[in-house]
Amino acid sequence: DSGVTQTPKHLITATGQRVTLRCSPRSGDLSVYWYQQSLDQGLQFLIQYYNGEERAKGNILERFSAQQFPDLHSELNLSSLELGDSALYFCASSAGTLNTEAFFGQGTRLTVV
Amino acid sequence: KNQVEQSPQSLIILEGKNCTLQCNYTVSPFSNLRWYKQDTGRGPVSLTIMTFSENTKSNGRYTATLDADTKQSSLHITASQLSDSASYICVVSAAWGGATNKLIFGTGTLLAVQP
Repeated sequence: DSGVTQTPKHLITATGQRVTLRCSPRSGDLSVYWYQQSLDQGLQFLIQYYNGEERAKGNILERFSAQQFPDLHSELNLSSLELGDSALYFCASSAGTLNTEAFFGQGTRLTVV
Repeated sequence: KNQVEQSPQSLIILEGKNCTLQCNYTVSPFSNLRWYKQDTGRGPVSLTIMTFSENTKSNGRYTATLDADTKQSSLHITASQLSDSASYICVVSAAWGGATNKLIFGTGTLLAVQP
């Protein structure tokens, strides 16, 4: 158990809908990262937050947004869902300081039908 | 452009054999390099983390090396087991400034260990 909790584990929804994925980082970790992993693809970096502020942005679509709350949990909002958005979405957390380990949650499997 | 490239893309070995996975990177400014193991459908699990000054780090049957001059790393797996079948991902951390960093992921090497 990495200490990073993601909910829900599985999500099935229809095209055009909106979903929210939740991530609770390890206790004390200030950085939260979101990644997308499509079938047979590597991990694609979406966005990073550090202590509530956006720190880095990757290949995140405009239909997607995220935020990190004062209690440090984070949510990834996916809207106007398309079939191609079906993927595993991982959250990772780290203390945020250099050379510290990043721990991954077990992911949320999103299926858009 | 910050990039991490891994080779081979996939590998099949017999149980009990050794193998070596490669990682080349162009990331600046370099902070550290990590190897993760990812079982299918699961979150990546950290194997090793190395900073600029470390050349070798071991974790059981896994040994990672780092050559910061040539910007290359390798992960050597000794006496492979069926449970080693997974994707192995090289991740390089770029110093972002202040107390944070940016992780750049390789696409991984898919390892299959055959009985």
